[in-house]
Amino acid sequence: EDKVVQSPLSLVVHEGDTVTLNCSYEVTNFRSLLWYKQEKKAPTFLFMLTSSGIEKKSGRLSSILDKKELFSILNITATQTGDSAVYLCAGDHAGGTSYGKLTFGQGTILTVHP
Amino acid sequence: NAGVTQTPKFRILKIGQSMTLQCTQDMNHNYMYWYRQDPGMGLKLIYYSVGAGITDKGEVPNGYNVSRSTTEDFPLRLELAAPSQTSVYFCASRGQGSSYEQYFGPGTRLTVT
Repeated sequence: EDKVVQSPLSLVVHEGDTVTLNCSYEVTNFRSLLWYKQEKKAPTFLFMLTSSGIEKKSGRLSSILDKKELFSILNITATQTGDSAVYLCAGDHAGGTSYGKLTFGQGTILTVHP
Repeated sequence: NAGVTQTPKFRILKIGQSMTLQCTQDMNHNYMYWYRQDPGMGLKLIYYSVGAGITDKGEVPNGYNVSRSTTEDFPLRLELAAPSQTSVYFCASRGQGSSYEQYFGPGTRLTVT
């Protein structure tokens, strides 16, 4: 059975802190790992990771994938209150009728206090 | 482009009632998906479609039905609503090709009492 597990489930930090969110996966026909940010509405896309060891970066956010150990991390440096959200990771299936099907983790709730 | 649109935004149903959640995308995406998200949880796949006329079950299909008669529309039907179907429902679509992410609609908040 496909499974994506995120840790921690929740995290409370103060502005300026750096956080690391973890995502481990067991996904059949794995193709890529996606990260989304969700703020009381629909998830918005952050990163898609396909290759091991190549960091993707967007401002203060960065993410990397380890396909050998089956995990990914999302780093947020110099956190701001606007980073408060649920962060979701999802495993992407390749091939056949499962193409494009995402298996989501349960999410990490990040709260950033001023 | 409007992207992915969903109607209604909110709905309250009584136990045993039926309804259809509408989803439309204007990006000419072949792949469309229905998820539900319970409070404090991730998204669970209900049904998905890889093209007009083709649908398949996800993780939690019981109590739901879908159809895909056109590329643009992917309605989700609830028959005999139950309190366990109280959730937020998201429709999503995706283009063909390995570099495309899923785009989500704004969601429908459904309460069954």
